[in-house]
Amino acid sequence: QSALTQPASVSGSLGQSITISCTGTSSDIGRYNHVSWYQQQQPGKAPKLLISAVTKRPSGVSSRFSASKSGNTASLTISGLQPEDEADYYCSSYTSTTVWVFGAGTKLTVL
Amino acid sequence: EVQLVQSGGGLVQPGGSLRLSCAASGFTFAGSWMSWLRQAPGKGPEWVANVKPDGSETYYVGSVKGRFAISRDNAVNSLYLQMNRLRIEDTAVYYCARDDSGWPDWGQGTLVTVSS
Repeated sequence: QSALTQPASVSGSLGQSITISCTGTSSDIGRYNHVSWYQQQQPGKAPKLLISAVTKRPSGVSSRFSASKSGNTASLTISGLQPEDEADYYCSSYTSTTVWVFGAGTKLTVL
Repeated sequence: EVQLVQSGGGLVQPGGSLRLSCAASGFTFAGSWMSWLRQAPGKGPEWVANVKPDGSETYYVGSVKGRFAISRDNAVNSLYLQMNRLRIEDTAVYYCARDDSGWPDWGQGTLVTVSS
């Protein structure tokens, strides 16, 4: 059982927007602004950082990706869905026990 | 360009040991926190351990405490993971990564298979 809870799957049509939630507790997401999001397009390939520090998008990441946090829940929004967005998405957070935890991942299907 | 090149890994019997290495270039290694993460087949990533830039502090996920040891040699820009008393459930692709409010840079991954 993962420490952070994500929906197993989401889907959206080309051009639409979707939001993936990531629910933790007051000991992780609720306490720290160390929430990050990753995209993994194929098994065995390293995940790609999309968002760090809750809302910051690294250089080179499309502005179609945005994120936020409210209480113990973080959210990733992908706008203007493209075929190449079909992938697995993971959230991660620092915790009060000095470890980092991930969600189990959300599989995005672009219809 | 940041590069993290991993070596080590392979097949080992339960109870055995392995050492993973990660050679870093393209950034100030001695000024960076570094992590090892892993991903078991069909599962999401799992953070394993990290080490402070000067090597004076290390942190581990509970399942590997006392069995794994993360270390670094800033003189040669290298990160290591010594894995002892390996268990079947340690089977995964292991990645080294640079810490920076998340993990923006990852190694290519190396497969560790624990099986009899």
